[in-house]
Amino acid sequence: NAGVTQTPKFQVLKTGQSMTLQCAQDMNHNSMYWYRQDPGMGLRLIYYSASEGTTDKGEVPNGYNVSRLNKREFSLRLESAAPSQTSVYFCASSEAFLLQGGETQYFGPGTRLLVL
Amino acid sequence: GDSVTQMEGPVTLSEEAFLTINCTYTATGYPSLFWYVQYPGEGLQLLLKATKADDKGSNKGFEATYRKETTSFHLEKGSVQVSDSAVYFCALKGGGNKLVFGAGTILRVKS
Repeated sequence: NAGVTQTPKFQVLKTGQSMTLQCAQDMNHNSMYWYRQDPGMGLRLIYYSASEGTTDKGEVPNGYNVSRLNKREFSLRLESAAPSQTSVYFCASSEAFLLQGGETQYFGPGTRLLVL
Repeated sequence: GDSVTQMEGPVTLSEEAFLTINCTYTATGYPSLFWYVQYPGEGLQLLLKATKADDKGSNKGFEATYRKETTSFHLEKGSVQVSDSAVYFCALKGGGNKLVFGAGTILRVKS
């Protein structure tokens, strides 16, 4: 099992460019999440997908969109990148959604994004 | 809203030293509490958890006790190793549908 995989590992964008961060999990998990990690702050939830076919906003959704392509894949898109979106992005998955006891989340290795 | 406060790092220790990383929380109700660890170049992994007051979570020599009276969940290990060098995150699951993470504490263990 590869667990949770993310691509790319590192990306540099210019302000206004767009890009999609890819995430896939091979654990047959129902729920998937996107977080961002900034210095001095904990992880903040951007979007989540409680189950295939559903997506919802988290704490900091502005400037992002997501797609739950199928049960395995959950992508995060930046339509017009801004310097404030410079961060490390983590994808995570869990067998069940949080409210159903799915507190154990499995994280990918992260994508470092630099927006100039 | 719910929040988690961790001690600032980095924490630098010699091998075999005793480790404590402080974590306190603010939440309504009775949250579940977690410690996650992030090794260099990797994603976060669940280290241990406790779901009710006075529960003790333990794993890989690490322990943390859910203290409702002091709203704390401090992480301890009796004898750290170089391989324990990582970033440690305290987190809670409260009434909402998300995990709330602390800012993380960097631990550096020197041989």
